[in-house]
Formats: sequence, structure tokens, C-alpha cells
Amino acid sequence: LAKTTQPISMDSYEGQEVNITCSHNNIATNDYITWYQQFPSQGPRFIIQGYKTKVTNEVASLFIPADRKSSTLSLPRVSLSDTAVYYCLVVLSGGYNKLIFGAGTRLAVHP
Amino acid sequence: GAGVSQSPSNKVTEKGKDVELRCDPISGHTALYWYRQSLGQGLEFLIYFQGNSAPDKSGLPSDRFSAERTGGSVSTLTIQRTQQEDSAVYLCASSLFTGGKYFGAGTRLSVL
Repeated sequence: LAKTTQPISMDSYEGQEVNITCSHNNIATNDYITWYQQFPSQGPRFIIQGYKTKVTNEVASLFIPADRKSSTLSLPRVSLSDTAVYYCLVVLSGGYNKLIFGAGTRLAVHP
Repeated sequence: GAGVSQSPSNKVTEKGKDVELRCDPISGHTALYWYRQSLGQGLEFLIYFQGNSAPDKSGLPSDRFSAERTGGSVSTLTIQRTQQEDSAVYLCASSLFTGGKYFGAGTRLSVL
């Protein structure tokens, strides 16, 4: 599975847009990019998954360039409750997968 | 149930004792996973079940760790002769064979 690299931490303020970029240079043809969110004392929560171009849901948008060697999770107008750790993972489409988690990006949203 | 349920939510035990951690997956989810998360760390994969079979046990740290799943539903993770380094949050997740994984809130294990 492709290794991912993302910033250790980020700071933002309420109402701002936050973009977290993840590098996955060795992504394979059949791999998808998946993002999870984890609040303290909770298990990770699936946010969004994509293969290429752009995916949007009610929580976030995911931008994936043509070469797919990186991806950007975009959180519009963050609030204090978006303070969490965000994990970028590369997963094989179909079948089971282990979800190899890295250290994630710790996002702190300030008033 | 509506989500993945784990029990107990917290467990304090003495070094050398055995512990059992339980996971109730989402009804109908055939795949079940156990992960471990030490303080301030990312998640560490332990074991994967498909139905009652465990095709991937590669993440179990030692032979003190074992897990079983019965009826394609409930799973129990057992740690024998606990050590202080076993202290962590143990997370269970379930999914359909393909698709997003749903995590429980975890069991916080403290070995004194």
C-alpha cells in the first residue's frame, strides 16, 4: 500500500476554509484515497473517498490531480467542532484492506 | 444496533491478568477489524475477520493476543498475561466486504 505523507499539525480560525494536502507518490492504479476524522476518545470516522478529479459531500471536498500523487482535503468554513486529527489513507479498491494509518494531521480550530 | 458497540469502555487490570474485550459490529457487516491506538499515536492493525474466519492475523503483537468471532457477529479480543505495554485504546471496526469502515468508540485498557 502506498505510504502517505501529511503535515503533522495545522491551525485555523472559525469560518475559514482549511486545505490539508497529502502526498502518496507510490499510489497504484487500483488504489483509492480515503480520509478519516478522529475526535478525542472516539474511533475514526469516514469522511470522504475518491479516485480522481473532485469528490464533494456534505462534509468536505476532495481534490485529486491527474497524476494522483497527492490529494487535498478541503473543509469549508470550519468551526471549533472540526478540531480533530485527519488521516489520509490509500486503500485498494474492492475487497478488504487493513487501513494503514499514519500519524495524521492534527487540526486546531481557534475562535 | 445503529453502530459498532464495544465493551467495556474502560478496563483497568493488573499486570499478568487476562482480559477480554468485546465488539458488536453493525448488523449485516461481514468484515470485522481490530486496531490498537497507543496514546498520541496512529492506529495499529491487529486482525481482520471475514465471517468467522481470520484470514489476516499479521498485526497481533504476540501469542498472548488472540481473537475469535462467532456467528459472524460478535468478536472477542483476548489478551493473556497482560503487560504494561499493552495499555492502549483497542478499536473495533466493521464493514460490508467492500466499503467504508465504521469504528466503535474503543476500549481503553490500562495495565497497572
